[in-house]
Amino acid sequence: AQSVTQLDSQVPVFEEAPVELRCNYSSSVSVYLFWYVQYPNQGLQLLLKYLSGSTLVKGINGFEAEFNKSQTSFHLRKPSVHISDTAEYFCAVTPYSSASKIIFGSGTRLSIRP
Amino acid sequence: GAVVSQHPSWVICKSGTSVKIECRSLDFQATTMFWYRQFPKQSLMLMATSNEGSKATYEQGVEKDKFLINHASLTLSTLTVTSAHPEDSSFYICSAMGPKVYEQYFGPGTRLTVT
Repeated sequence: AQSVTQLDSQVPVFEEAPVELRCNYSSSVSVYLFWYVQYPNQGLQLLLKYLSGSTLVKGINGFEAEFNKSQTSFHLRKPSVHISDTAEYFCAVTPYSSASKIIFGSGTRLSIRP
Repeated sequence: GAVVSQHPSWVICKSGTSVKIECRSLDFQATTMFWYRQFPKQSLMLMATSNEGSKATYEQGVEKDKFLINHASLTLSTLTVTSAHPEDSSFYICSAMGPKVYEQYFGPGTRLTVT
């Protein structure tokens, strides 16, 4: 079975400051990794994904994430945040063997202060 | 490309009535669609997997007679909440599997309020 842990339920950050949202996963099989963003009262939008290859993945809106297999982590980073980045962020995994089933973390609420 | 729509975006219904939510893949065919439920400030919970032309597969604990899913075409899946009760009030999100099995495209969600 797979599980995803997002240690921080809320992360307050000042505008233009850097941010890191942490994600750790557990799986006995190989997985694909994702970060999704959810703006208030909206569905999920894919920020970025790791399938294979380079462990540093760049996504939309200036976000990037680094896959660390030894630490089973996939932390999301942005060097300078904007007010518009205020949203809920979900880390997720999909096992290779059952690539249709997404296991989501509990989410991290990123709030940007001016 | 890869747009998924949901209708309605917001619905209020009275306790005991049924409500239907539609999920459409607008620019691609989706043999598989998924239905999720999200409670306030919580993550998404997979309710069921919907396959075109066959019966949906429900996750453990989800009442299949209460949450009826129909996937009649390659672009449309519907979720009907039957005999709705206030505890069914939630945010329902669908997703559609894209050409690559690891790709899922999410709809904007439907907020259901049962009074």
